[in-house]
Amino acid sequence: NAGVMQNPRHLVRRRGQEARLRCSPMKGHSHVYWYRQLPEEGLKFMVYLQKENIIDESGMPKERFSAEFPKEGPSILRIQQVVRGDSAAYFCASSPILAGTSTSTDTQYFGPGTRLTVL
Amino acid sequence: GENVEQHPSTLSVQEGDSAVIKCTYSDSASNYFPWYKQELGKGPQLIIDIRSNVGEKKDQRIAVTLNKTAKHFSLHITETQPEDSAVYFCAASRGRNNNDMRFGAGTRLTVKP
Repeated sequence: NAGVMQNPRHLVRRRGQEARLRCSPMKGHSHVYWYRQLPEEGLKFMVYLQKENIIDESGMPKERFSAEFPKEGPSILRIQQVVRGDSAAYFCASSPILAGTSTSTDTQYFGPGTRLTVL
Repeated sequence: GENVEQHPSTLSVQEGDSAVIKCTYSDSASNYFPWYKQELGKGPQLIIDIRSNVGEKKDQRIAVTLNKTAKHFSLHITETQPEDSAVYFCAASRGRNNNDMRFGAGTRLTVKP
């Protein structure tokens, strides 16, 4: 069973360009979380999605950032008009569903991350 | 919201010694406490977790203890090895649909051979 997959692993963008980060959850998982990690810091929650729904985006900046998790395909974190301060590692995690419910379990499994560098 | 504090920020031990990392949390409703290990250039990997209905859990050289009254939990690594060197993160959440999971700032553990 493949783990959480993220691509690209490294992404370089110039200021003002767009960055698209992709996350494929573990097989059978339909809950996805995105986190940002600055160097030497912990993980900061950004957004929580279920298939076709944004459940909680309270940790995501209101401008330039958006996320989606379509019915088919990976979850996408999109950053428009990137600035140098967006340089960070972005991690995706996924959770399985409790049997017979639409509720996720408490355990999150992380992908390898995308390291975004804005020049 | 939940606030998790983690100490120490760096820890250096000799191979074979024990290492202890401590975390405190603020939300008394939190009931799920995972620990993650992050190696350089990789994503966090879940190494052990504990739920509030137990006070201690062991998995080989790793153990976690939880004191709900004091709102703190600790990671214990015994007989440390150089490959244990990494950054360790604690986290706390109320569980299920846990978009409220909050992480400590991390502890950089170095095990000297």
